[in-house]
Amino acid sequence: DADVTQTPRNRITKTGKRIMLECSQTKGHDRMYWYRQDPGLGLRLIYYSFDVKDINKGEISDGYSVSRQAQAKFSLSLESAIPNQTALYFCATSEHTGELFFGEGSRLTVL
Amino acid sequence: AQTVTQSQPEMSVQEAETVTLSCTYDTSESDYYLFWYKQPPSRQMILVIRQEAYKQQNATENRFSVNFQKAAKSFSLKISDSQLGDAAMYFCAYRGPSGGPGTYKYIFGTGTRLKVLA
Repeated sequence: DADVTQTPRNRITKTGKRIMLECSQTKGHDRMYWYRQDPGLGLRLIYYSFDVKDINKGEISDGYSVSRQAQAKFSLSLESAIPNQTALYFCATSEHTGELFFGEGSRLTVL
Repeated sequence: AQTVTQSQPEMSVQEAETVTLSCTYDTSESDYYLFWYKQPPSRQMILVIRQEAYKQQNATENRFSVNFQKAAKSFSLKISDSQLGDAAMYFCAYRGPSGGPGTYKYIFGTGTRLKVLA
């Protein structure tokens, strides 16, 4: 089983719908992140959390919200999805030193 | 502000040959990490190699090695004996301080797509 698990892996939805992407991890890391990947733009940070009581905006947080339900769970919500939120979304974790560990990605298509 | 630049959107290499992917970065920090991640068609992000800035020795992982030039702020990835399974998008990433104690930020380049020709 993957250490960082994202659900759903793929989702097609319509403009205006509320969408939640979920992330859970078994690595025991305090730090969790949500990134968005678009072709030609690399990965951009949406939100990050250093512990359950700590939530921080990243560079592209508009239109998104997050919830850190537990150390192991970090969900990303799109309250009212729009087509330019069509992208590949990654959850990641890290220790206070070292690299990011990524989930398998959630591909979201907003029609 | 820190930046990471990958100037090669796409590269091709013949199977069994060697290829080098370029990455430059900009930072005023002295303590940071650099990474190369591989993203195959499965879209999973896989760590290929990491380099701590305080280490002068270039990191190596089997067929993958880096040329870390701290003064030039350059961090290139060399893939030797290229294999078909190396075909993927490769991302260079930087991790450095982000202000508060014990806080860090990660910045990614835009990626280089590597094609391996049989």
